Amino acid sequence: AQSVTQLDSHVSVSEGTPVLLRCNYSSSYSPSLFWYVQHPNKGLQLLLKYTSAATLVKGINGFEAEFKKSETSFHLTKPSAHMSDAAEYFCVVSDSSGGSYIPTFGRGTSLIVHP
Amino acid sequence: EAQVTQNPRYLITVTGKKLTVTCSQNMNHEYMSWYRQDPGLGLRQIYYSMNVEVTDKGDVPEGYKVSRKEKRNFPLILESPSPNQTSLYFCASSLITGDPYEQYFGPGTRLTVT
Repeated sequence: AQSVTQLDSHVSVSEGTPVLLRCNYSSSYSPSLFWYVQHPNKGLQLLLKYTSAATLVKGINGFEAEFKKSETSFHLTKPSAHMSDAAEYFCVVSDSSGGSYIPTFGRGTSLIVHP
Repeated sequence: EAQVTQNPRYLITVTGKKLTVTCSQNMNHEYMSWYRQDPGLGLRQIYYSMNVEVTDKGDVPEGYKVSRKEKRNFPLILESPSPNQTSLYFCASSLITGDPYEQYFGPGTRLTVT
């Protein structure tokens, strides 16, 4: 069984300050982990993904995430927030066991960026 | 351009009137799926398909049907829509070999059932 918990429903930062969006997961097997971003009235876009190649994953728009197996976490970070980062962010886990292709989405974190 | 398209983008209908939301992808992806997005609940999978003529239930399949007669198309059918199916729907597709699970999403269909 797999699950994912996004620890904050809303995160508010000032432009130019660091961003931290937290995600914890549970998985019985080697998970694939993803972060997606959804801008208002848009579909979801892949930010980055972890598939066991490297624990620190770099994505688009300056975002990165670190896979920490001991903490079962996959937090998303960015050194300096931009106004255009304001969006909804989803952490997603998918077990790679037995050909399971049913991903589990977190409930989302709304990132608010103040000028 | 590689993309997933959905139609219609917006739909208002009445209870019990059958409707179909179409989904098409041009990336030759084996895997396609449907999600609904509701406030505070994230995305929940309705149905998915591993390939032509292969479909399976996701987490919230009640009240929905799907078919996969061609690789590129995966329509979502609501035989008798009810107000609790008012939601934002997304179709997605991905490969199942090489670099799996990275899903490409359509722009969404906002459905209102009155």
